[in-house]
Amino acid sequence: AQSVAQPEDQVNVAEGNPLTVKCTYSVSGNPYLFWYVQYPNRGLQFLLKYITGDNLVKGSYGFEAEFNKSQTSFHLKKPSALVSDSALYFCAVRVPYSSASKIIFGSGTRLSIRP
Amino acid sequence: GAGVSQSPSNKVTEKGKDVELRCDPISGHTALYWYRQSLGQGLEFLIYFQGNSAPDKSGLPSDRFSAERTGGSVSTLTIQRTQQEDSAVYLCASSSRLAGGNTGELFFGEGSRLTVL
Repeated sequence: AQSVAQPEDQVNVAEGNPLTVKCTYSVSGNPYLFWYVQYPNRGLQFLLKYITGDNLVKGSYGFEAEFNKSQTSFHLKKPSALVSDSALYFCAVRVPYSSASKIIFGSGTRLSIRP
Repeated sequence: GAGVSQSPSNKVTEKGKDVELRCDPISGHTALYWYRQSLGQGLEFLIYFQGNSAPDKSGLPSDRFSAERTGGSVSTLTIQRTQQEDSAVYLCASSSRLAGGNTGELFFGEGSRLTVL
């Protein structure tokens, strides 16, 4: 079965420290991978994506993610966390199927940045 | 409009009533998705449309749930004989067709919060 896993329900980091939010996937073929963020009482916003090419992709708000094919992972990272980064983060994968395909999401990781 | 629009933003209904939730995607986006998010939880895939057809309805929880899309634009998610476990935020998203440089990231609406009493 195709799936996306975010093994941590919550990640706590001090402001100014680096952060990592983990994501692994199990999908046949070459998936497209995404990260989305949900701020309190707001809709989901796109952060970044991996399609092909460089394994390190950069996105909005200083976030980046590293695609690792051998480990089937796509961890989200930021060198220096801000309190305003506190939110719910979702990893997602587009399942290859025709030209518009199902997108499945992980269960989400709540990121809490303390001052 | 500029973004994905969903209505109503909030709906409170009594158990057993039918509800309709509407999604107006970004103009020109051919793919449309419905997800359900329970309080503070992950996103549960319900259905997606490519144009007016639904290649994948696998996520619909029961036959009380149905969805349609007309004119390749507006979609309606209908829940019949609502139950308390249907209470959640229903999110709609649209994306452009995967072609050329379009890689199909989703653009989400603000959601419709459904409360079944």
